[in-house]
Amino acid sequence: AQSVSQHNHHVILSEAASLELGCNYSYGGTVNLFWYVQYPGQHLQLLLKYFSGDPLVKGIKGFEAEFIKSKFSFNLRKPSVQWSDTAEYFCAVNALFLNKFYFGSGTKLNVKP
Amino acid sequence: DGGITQSPKYLFRKEGQNVTLSCEQNLNHDAMYWYRQDPGQGLRLIYYSQIVNDFQKGDIAEGYSVSREKKESFPLTVTSAQKNPTAFYLCASSKSFSGDNSPLHFGNGTRLTVT
Repeated sequence: AQSVSQHNHHVILSEAASLELGCNYSYGGTVNLFWYVQYPGQHLQLLLKYFSGDPLVKGIKGFEAEFIKSKFSFNLRKPSVQWSDTAEYFCAVNALFLNKFYFGSGTKLNVKP
Repeated sequence: DGGITQSPKYLFRKEGQNVTLSCEQNLNHDAMYWYRQDPGQGLRLIYYSQIVNDFQKGDIAEGYSVSREKKESFPLTVTSAQKNPTAFYLCASSKSFSGDNSPLHFGNGTRLTVT
């Protein structure tokens, strides 16, 4: 079965710390990759996406992610987090052959002011 | 502004009753989806619809039903056959179901509690 793994379920950081959230997927075909963010009390929003080309993609609010095809990974990074980044982050993979979106279990990020 | 509207935000029902969750979009998207979000399990696909008058089962369709009579609307019915219906339900849409790299757009969700 296809799967998306987010190994960090809960991350606690102080402001200005660097962030890296892991995402690995198991699907071997062509994929589109996404990170979504859910701020407290708000709906899921698209943070960034990778379709093709440069494997390092930049999203909103200073986030970036790197697609490493050989590792089936799409890790999310931010050099310096802010308290306002406190949210839950979901990695998603659209397996194009199957035309289905698969989501990871989410990572809750708590940034201490 | 275009978006997806889910109503109500909170819903309470007694066990054994069917309940219908509303999802409306004005983004002119062809594809619509229903996900269920449970703590620690991420989002799991219940049903999806590529186009009006068509829908397909997702990974956890048992105990649920949908209809897609209009492009804008994709209501989800949680039936009494769903063994664990208490959850947070998310509706989503995308411009098309295939080929154009469309991301998903989400509604604010409906939290259903069945007692």
